[in-house]
Amino acid sequence: EDKVVQSPLSLVVHEGDTVTLNCSYEVTNFRSLLWYKQEKKAPTFLFMLTSSGIEKKSGRLSSILDKKELFSILNITATQTGDSAVYLCAVRAGGTSYGKLTFGQGTILTVHP
Amino acid sequence: DTEVTQTPKHLVMGMTNKKSLKCEQHMGHRAMYWYKQKAKKPPELMFVYSYEKLSINESVPSRFSPECPNSSLLNLHLHALQPEDSALYLCASSPRQGLDEKLFFGSGTQLSVL
Repeated sequence: EDKVVQSPLSLVVHEGDTVTLNCSYEVTNFRSLLWYKQEKKAPTFLFMLTSSGIEKKSGRLSSILDKKELFSILNITATQTGDSAVYLCAVRAGGTSYGKLTFGQGTILTVHP
Repeated sequence: DTEVTQTPKHLVMGMTNKKSLKCEQHMGHRAMYWYKQKAKKPPELMFVYSYEKLSINESVPSRFSPECPNSSLLNLHLHALQPEDSALYLCASSPRQGLDEKLFFGSGTQLSVL
């Protein structure tokens, strides 16, 4: 069975701090790893990673994938209160034609002023 | 328009009621999904529609009945639900059903079954 584990489960920081969120996975026939930010209700797409060692960046957020060690990290620098959310990692397996996404349980990030 | 719109935002129903959840997108996406998310848990896939045809049913009980009347609209019909079905129901869409697609999610319907 495909498995995605995120750590830590929750994190409390102050504005300006840098945080690193972790996602490890066990998936048969790995295809890609996706990060989503869930504020209140709707998960919002952040990154999709398919190749090992290539960093994806968007502003203060960046992510990298290590396919050998089966994990990904999401970094957020200079955190702001608006970064407070649940961060979901999802892994797609290529064993079926539709590529089912398996989600981790999420990391709850709280950024205090 | 880059949104997936879900209605209603909140729904309370009794175990004998029949209700429907609605999802709409106008991005020209041809794959649409229903996910169920319990509190403090990750989203779990329920159904996938591809080109208006049911492609995947993740062994969902028959009290949940999906429908895709056209390429922009996805419904989830609910009948004789149980209290344990209370959850956030998320709709998502992607350009196609495939291995390299990003999913765009709606804000969900928070369902409470009494």
